[in-house]
Amino acid sequence: NAGVTQTPKFRILKIGQSMTLQCTQDMNHNYMYWYRQDPGMGLKLIYYSVGAGITDKGEVPNGYNVSRSTTEDFPLRLELAAPSQTSVYFCASSFTETTYEQYFGPGTRLTVT
Amino acid sequence: GQQVMQIPQYQHVQEGEDFTTYCNSSTTLSNIQWYKQRPGGHPVFLIQLVKSGEVKKQKRLTFQFGEAKKNSSLHITATQTTDVGTYFCAGEGTDKLIFGTGTRLQVFP
Repeated sequence: NAGVTQTPKFRILKIGQSMTLQCTQDMNHNYMYWYRQDPGMGLKLIYYSVGAGITDKGEVPNGYNVSRSTTEDFPLRLELAAPSQTSVYFCASSFTETTYEQYFGPGTRLTVT
Repeated sequence: GQQVMQIPQYQHVQEGEDFTTYCNSSTTLSNIQWYKQRPGGHPVFLIQLVKSGEVKKQKRLTFQFGEAKKNSSLHITATQTTDVGTYFCAGEGTDKLIFGTGTRLQVFP
């Protein structure tokens, strides 16, 4: 199993550009999450999904969108990138909700200039 | 909203010294998880505690869950340079975990 994979690993965007961060898991997990981690800080939940077709906002959803058309994929869309979105983005998945551990992808390091 | 705080924020120790990080929740938790993130890496699950007063050990790491299930601690005995990283606790929220603020551990040889 590859676990949770994320692409790209690094990306530089200009202000106002858009992009999609890809996340795929091959563990048949129902729950998937997107976090951002600013330098030296903790994890902030952007969006999460409890299954295909179901998504919900986390702590910091503004400026982002998600979709969950399949169990495996959970892409994160950035519209009109802003410098405040410079961060490391982690995708994670778990079998079910809070009683199971989360598996994290390697992260995408995004810089908006 | 629910908050999970950790102290200290940073800890620098000499190799061989002990280290402890504390996690406190504003609400009672049904379980708590601990994760470790190496510099430049991603969080990796370490352990989950479920029972009130539970203590679990992993080699030099000892994890405790408070009697009231609102706090937890991670203690590392005789730190090694491989222990460097940020340690996060995570408590239950509605449909999701609430991650603590993290404690960054630096170990000097």
